[in-house]
Amino acid sequence: DSGVTQTPKHLITATGQRVTLRCSPRSGDLSVYWYQQSLDQGLQFLIQYYNGEERAKGNILERFSAQQFPDLHSELNLSSLELGDSALYFCASSVVLGGEQFFGPGTRLTVL
Amino acid sequence: QQQVKQSPQSLIVQKGGIPIINCAYENTAFDYFPWYQQFPGKGPALLIAIRPDVSEKKEGRFTISFNKSAKQFSLHIMDSQPGDSATYFCAASMGTPSNTGKLIFGQGTTLQVKP
Repeated sequence: DSGVTQTPKHLITATGQRVTLRCSPRSGDLSVYWYQQSLDQGLQFLIQYYNGEERAKGNILERFSAQQFPDLHSELNLSSLELGDSALYFCASSVVLGGEQFFGPGTRLTVL
Repeated sequence: QQQVKQSPQSLIVQKGGIPIINCAYENTAFDYFPWYQQFPGKGPALLIAIRPDVSEKKEGRFTISFNKSAKQFSLHIMDSQPGDSATYFCAASMGTPSNTGKLIFGQGTTLQVKP
């Protein structure tokens, strides 16, 4: 158990809908990263927050957004969902920028 | 330049064998190279990591070899066991100036260790 928690574990929804994925980092970790894992694209970095501020963006679609709250938990919002958004979404956390990253168990999103 | 190329895609070894997984990168700004192990239905778990100032690092049965001039690094699993059957990912990140630590992952290697 990495200490990073993610909810929900599974999410099944329809095209065009909006969902919110939640991540709680390890106690004391200030940095949260979001990654997407799909069969064709592998593990891809989406976005990173550090102590409430956005610090880096990867190949994140405009339909996706995220935030980190004062208690350091983070949410990833996915809207206008398409079939191709079906994937595993992982959150990772680290104590400092550039530190070791510990991954949560992931949320499996299925868009029908 | 942001890519990390990993090979082989899959690997089958007998118990006790030494599987070797290789990764190559182009961007010399990368300065942190971790390896992750992932079991089906689980998140990636950090196994071992290395920085470019050392050529080898061992933790238990896992060893990273690092060749800075060739821009390559590899994972060796000594005395492999059926419980090591998993997907392994190499990754890289760069420090300064942004020092965000975002990871660039290789495509993964599926390892099967036969009893």
